[in-house]
Amino acid sequence: AQSVSQHNHHVILSEAASLELGCNYSYGGTVNLFWYVQYPGQHLQLLLKYFSGDPLVKGIKGFEAEFIKSKFSFNLRKPSVQWSDTAEYFCAVNAGRGNNRLAFGKGNQVVVIP
Amino acid sequence: DAGVIQSPRHEVTEMGQEVTLRCKPISGHNSLFWYRQTMMRGLELLIYFNNNVPIDDSGMPEDRFSAKMPNASFSTLKIQPSEPRDSAVYFCASSLTSGSGADTQYFGPGTRLTVL
Repeated sequence: AQSVSQHNHHVILSEAASLELGCNYSYGGTVNLFWYVQYPGQHLQLLLKYFSGDPLVKGIKGFEAEFIKSKFSFNLRKPSVQWSDTAEYFCAVNAGRGNNRLAFGKGNQVVVIP
Repeated sequence: DAGVIQSPRHEVTEMGQEVTLRCKPISGHNSLFWYRQTMMRGLELLIYFNNNVPIDDSGMPEDRFSAKMPNASFSTLKIQPSEPRDSAVYFCASSLTSGSGADTQYFGPGTRLTVL
């Protein structure tokens, strides 16, 4: 079964700082990779996903993530955060084609101080 | 779009009672997922349906848990009898499955269950 690791569960940073959240997964075959975000009081929603092609994926609100197959990683980045980026961020993976079973990491709680 | 609808939003019950959580997926979606979120274990998939048929229930913790999807617009997750360790937030999600595995899942607001 796939597993997903997210480190540094709590992240506190100031506005305009850069953000990078790590995500590592344990599965050797073809994978689909996702980042979901949950803003305070809102539903989990998709931030971005990778399934094929360019390993650098652009998402909503200025976020991007890079799939590095050799490192089993899919790190999330944003060059300059805003207070509105305060949220919990979840990395998720499924084992490729035809498999809808998502395995989630435990999440990163990000707080941006104005 | 109404999005995925879950009810109730909060449920407080006593140990031993039956609990039923409800979900209405997005119209036109053909896959439905039930997740449980706890501090200790994070977000775990309990079961998912495709075209109303249970496909993978390996995450259902034990026989006290059961899920049904009688039609494309409604699903229930039942716990009988409930125990304090079942306290968690239960999410329902739906997607339009293409077979690629890269389909976006749309989540509901969750039901916060507290078992005393």
